[in-house]
Amino acid sequence: EDQVTQSPEALRLQEGESSSLNCSYTVSGLRGLFWYRQDPGKGPEFLFTLYSAGEEKEKERLKATLTKKESFLHITAPKPEDSATYLCAVQSMNYGGATNKLIFGTGTLLAVQP
Amino acid sequence: GAGVSQSPSNKVTEKGKDVELRCDPISGHTALYWYRQSLGQGLEFLIYFQGNSAPDKSGLPSDRFSAERTGGSVSTLTIQRTQQEDSAVYLCASRSTWGLVADTQYFGPGTRLTVL
Repeated sequence: EDQVTQSPEALRLQEGESSSLNCSYTVSGLRGLFWYRQDPGKGPEFLFTLYSAGEEKEKERLKATLTKKESFLHITAPKPEDSATYLCAVQSMNYGGATNKLIFGTGTLLAVQP
Repeated sequence: GAGVSQSPSNKVTEKGKDVELRCDPISGHTALYWYRQSLGQGLEFLIYFQGNSAPDKSGLPSDRFSAERTGGSVSTLTIQRTQQEDSAVYLCASRSTWGLVADTQYFGPGTRLTVL
């Protein structure tokens, strides 16, 4: 069964204190791994898609990396406006091709203190 | 351009009543998804529409849940005889099926459903 586990559940950082969020996954075959940001009361906002081990993508203070078992979202010198819940999701492959749905983790709640 | 829109943003109903939730996808997106987000749980897939193909209903939790998509655009999720465990945020997402971002699902703001 496809599964996504995110850690830690919550993380509190001081402004400028870099850290990483973890997303471990188990899938029969990986089509893609997705990172989203979700602010309170809003829908998830797309950040990155990663397709193969070794791939990296960057956007401002965020960098996402992928291995065969997990993905990391690295946050460099975070600011208070980076405070949000970060969601990881996978889309798997089966004999018929890519499956239709994303399997989400429960997210990491990040709080950046000024 | 305009993103995915959903209405209403909040819905409070009494147990046993029927509710309808609406989703307007991004213009030109042929793929549309419904997910449910319950407190403390990850997003849970409900149903998927792609063009004129039969929808993938594999995530619907019971036969009280149904959805339709008219004209390949607007979608309505209907929950009949609502129960308290149906309380959640219902999220709609749409996806283009061509180009460099063909895999990316873009989400709407959600409808928060509260069943009293």
